[in-house]
Amino acid sequence: DVKVTQSSRYLVKRTGEKVFLECVQDMDHENMFWYRQDPGLGLRLIYFSYDVKMKEKGDIPEGYSVSREKKERFSLILESASTNQTSMYLCASSSPGGADTQYFGPGTRLTVL
Amino acid sequence: QKEVEQNSGPLSVPEGAIASLNCTYSDRGSQSFFWYRQYSGKSPELIMFIYSNGDKEDGRFTAQLNKASQYVSLLIRDSQPSDSATYLCAVGQSSNTGKLIFGQGTTLQVKP
Repeated sequence: DVKVTQSSRYLVKRTGEKVFLECVQDMDHENMFWYRQDPGLGLRLIYFSYDVKMKEKGDIPEGYSVSREKKERFSLILESASTNQTSMYLCASSSPGGADTQYFGPGTRLTVL
Repeated sequence: QKEVEQNSGPLSVPEGAIASLNCTYSDRGSQSFFWYRQYSGKSPELIMFIYSNGDKEDGRFTAQLNKASQYVSLLIRDSQPSDSATYLCAVGQSSNTGKLIFGQGTTLQVKP
């Protein structure tokens, strides 16, 4: 079974803090994704990576950056957290050979005070 | 802007009935279609995918695809209270980027 893990299930941070969210997958997938999910807005793609050190902006990249130094690990960084970044953050991975099927981690509920 | 549309619901069905969830998409060249189930506070989990026109069955679930009408549906037979969740439709982009476009989801309530 595909396993995608995220570093925290719940996280509380203060405005202005630098926040790291980490995602690890164990299926040797090339593609990894970061989404945020908010009520009424659905899943929105923040960033996606199709290979080590490769990244592409999604629909809402402002205020976020990412890092992919190893194939299995994809990090989302909030450089200076703001209250409007309070959300559920979901990581997913997929393989081009798997016809786009994305597998999700458990999610991180981030609250910025 | 490529879109995936779902009725947000809630769709309420009695236990044992067939639940029918629908999704339309705008990218005519899309080749891959997915249904995810998401329980409240949890992450989406894949139920099934479909690539070809017609029906695909997996247990109590049947996905139906009509590319000409740009329409995909999910039927849940013998609905159970445990099926109560939000169902997300996702569509692969024709540009084959690996990205999926998600609908906003339909909330299903199965009443005992």
